[in-house]
Amino acid sequence: GNSVTQMEGPVTLSEEAFLTINCTYTATGYPSLFWYVQYPGEGLQLLLKATKADDKGSNKGFEATYRKETTSFHLEKGSVQVSDSAVYFCALSDQETSGSRLTFGEGTQLTVNP
Amino acid sequence: GAGVSQSPSNKVTEKGKDVELRCDPISGHTALYWYRQSLGQGLEFLIYFQGNSAPDKSGLPSDRFSAERTGGSVSTLTIQRTQQEDSAVYLCASSSIRDSLGETQYFGPGTRLLVL
Repeated sequence: GNSVTQMEGPVTLSEEAFLTINCTYTATGYPSLFWYVQYPGEGLQLLLKATKADDKGSNKGFEATYRKETTSFHLEKGSVQVSDSAVYFCALSDQETSGSRLTFGEGTQLTVNP
Repeated sequence: GAGVSQSPSNKVTEKGKDVELRCDPISGHTALYWYRQSLGQGLEFLIYFQGNSAPDKSGLPSDRFSAERTGGSVSTLTIQRTQQEDSAVYLCASSSIRDSLGETQYFGPGTRLLVL
């Protein structure tokens, strides 16, 4: 079946530090890949997505590249801000094997200190 | 425009009682999903509705869980004879399915259910 594995958290950084949150996946089809973010007290929001190999998704300074050869979709940001503190979820959808449902990773709690 | 809305935002119930959770998707979205977010289990898929097709119920954890979608819009998730392990945040999402893959799902704020 499909699965998503994220690096364990929590992650604590200082403002302006570089961020990487690792995400790898297992899928039998050709999935689309997503990063969702959950800010404190709020619902899940799409951060970025990529639908085919070598695509790069980007938003709000965050980037992730769909790497089919390493089955990865790592999230990066060059300089984090306090306002980036949130829980980040990597997810996939695989139309061929599981319809349009999202399979999520465990989530990574990020705290950015001033 | 209005996003996905869910009600109630919080629900406290006693073990053994039935509960109903409501989801209003974004207008015009044909696909609707229910997920559950709980400690130790993360985010789990429960059920998926797409237009007039039969729903995909493969994620429902037991026969105490059921859901319906009336008129292709509002959905209700019902949990019968609630158990303490049903305590979680229940999330609803909707999307506008087209031919392409990777259609974005838009999530509601969730209903936080506590079973005492």
